[in-house]
Amino acid sequence: AQSVTQPDIHITVSEGASLELRCNYSYGATPYLFWYVQSPGQGLQLLLKYFSGDTLVQGIKGFEAEFKRSQSSFNLRKPSVHWSDAAEYFCAVGAYQTGANNLFFGTGTRLTVIP
Amino acid sequence: DVKVTQSSRYLVKRTGEKVFLECVQDMDHENMFWYRQDPGLGLRLIYFSYDVKMKEKGDIPEGYSVSREKKERFSLILESASTNQTSMYLCASSPGQGDYGYTFGSGTRLTVV
Repeated sequence: AQSVTQPDIHITVSEGASLELRCNYSYGATPYLFWYVQSPGQGLQLLLKYFSGDTLVQGIKGFEAEFKRSQSSFNLRKPSVHWSDAAEYFCAVGAYQTGANNLFFGTGTRLTVIP
Repeated sequence: DVKVTQSSRYLVKRTGEKVFLECVQDMDHENMFWYRQDPGLGLRLIYFSYDVKMKEKGDIPEGYSVSREKKERFSLILESASTNQTSMYLCASSPGQGDYGYTFGSGTRLTVV
């Protein structure tokens, strides 16, 4: 069965500092992997996704993620965090299930940015 | 842009009431989903539908049912609301046919008192 682990519940970084959010997945086949961001009171917005090919994936808002099969990881990074990046971040794995492509989410990491 | 609209942003209901949460998408998507979001638990799939009148259980279907009579509308039903169903509910849709292009609604925060 598929699952996603985000080991960090809450991370605080200073504005301008670098950021790495961790994600580990469990899936039997080649995974489809995603990172979403949720700002307060909003739905989820897709930051980036990995299906195949280059293991370093670029997304919106200056985010990138690297797929490492040997570590079953898909960590999200940003070189310099902005105050507007404060939000909750969800990693997800995609899996086909009875007629639909389903997303299975981790428990999320809340990011706080301090001036 | 695809829009997924959830009819209510906030709802307060009493224990034992029958509750309907409505979700409408405007881009002819095949698949629709209902998730429940709780702090520390992330998003958990309640039910999904891959076609009109077709539904499948997700990870936590107990206490819920769904209805999809028209392609654009997917309703989540709490037959007898309980306090442990107080949560944020998110609806999503996707095109289907192998496409993971999900669009999420803004959510309905349900409080059962």
